[in-house]
Amino acid sequence: QQQVRQSPQSLTVWEGETTILNCSYEDSTFDYFPWYRQFPGKSPALLIAISLVSNKKEDGRFTIFFNKREKKLSLHITDSQPGDSATYFCAASADTGNYKYVFGAGTRLKVIA
Amino acid sequence: EAAVTQSPRSKVAVTGGKVTLSCHQTNNHDYMYWYRQDTGHGLRLIHYSYVADSTEKGDIPDGYKASRPSQENFSLILELASLSQTAVYFCASSDVGEDTEVFFGKGTRLTVV
Repeated sequence: QQQVRQSPQSLTVWEGETTILNCSYEDSTFDYFPWYRQFPGKSPALLIAISLVSNKKEDGRFTIFFNKREKKLSLHITDSQPGDSATYFCAASADTGNYKYVFGAGTRLKVIA
Repeated sequence: EAAVTQSPRSKVAVTGGKVTLSCHQTNNHDYMYWYRQDTGHGLRLIHYSYVADSTEKGDIPDGYKASRPSQENFSLILELASLSQTAVYFCASSDVGEDTEVFFGKGTRLTVV
């Protein structure tokens, strides 16, 4: 059973469009939510993260929106570029004494020029 | 720069054989993790460790053992490899604290035949 769910499973957008990737969770103890990006054949790497104290986090073209009440997050990529083509993982961790990270299944994004 | 080194990078193993995947980090991180990546399942946590000589079960520990002989080294052991364990395995490390970055190795592609 996935503790962190992502949708859609895959997505294709045109260059210049805004991409929206969705993430939801169930465990109320989760309070830190990083997004990792994985290019084909490479390792995942941290892209952007948000904690429970924030509703929004921006970093350039990447923005996380956080609805705590509904336990939902979304990653928005504005002006999507072919170089953004990758798999995006939403993750969650809880401050329960041991910092276990749980990852979603990922969304595979393809940006067409 | 943070570094997590995995060996081997790829391996073909026979069903029923023993497989050991090794991981070495030079980050001086307390936490180390073994994740398995399969298409459609994202990254699933197998075992993790927050101190030498101690390991913890993750979400899918069955069929795997782990060993943390020192802060720098963390091994994943498949005593009796099975076809279902064909996957890409990632080792990772992180510092203490839920909002720290997880650094991944380059991955090991394991094929069990």
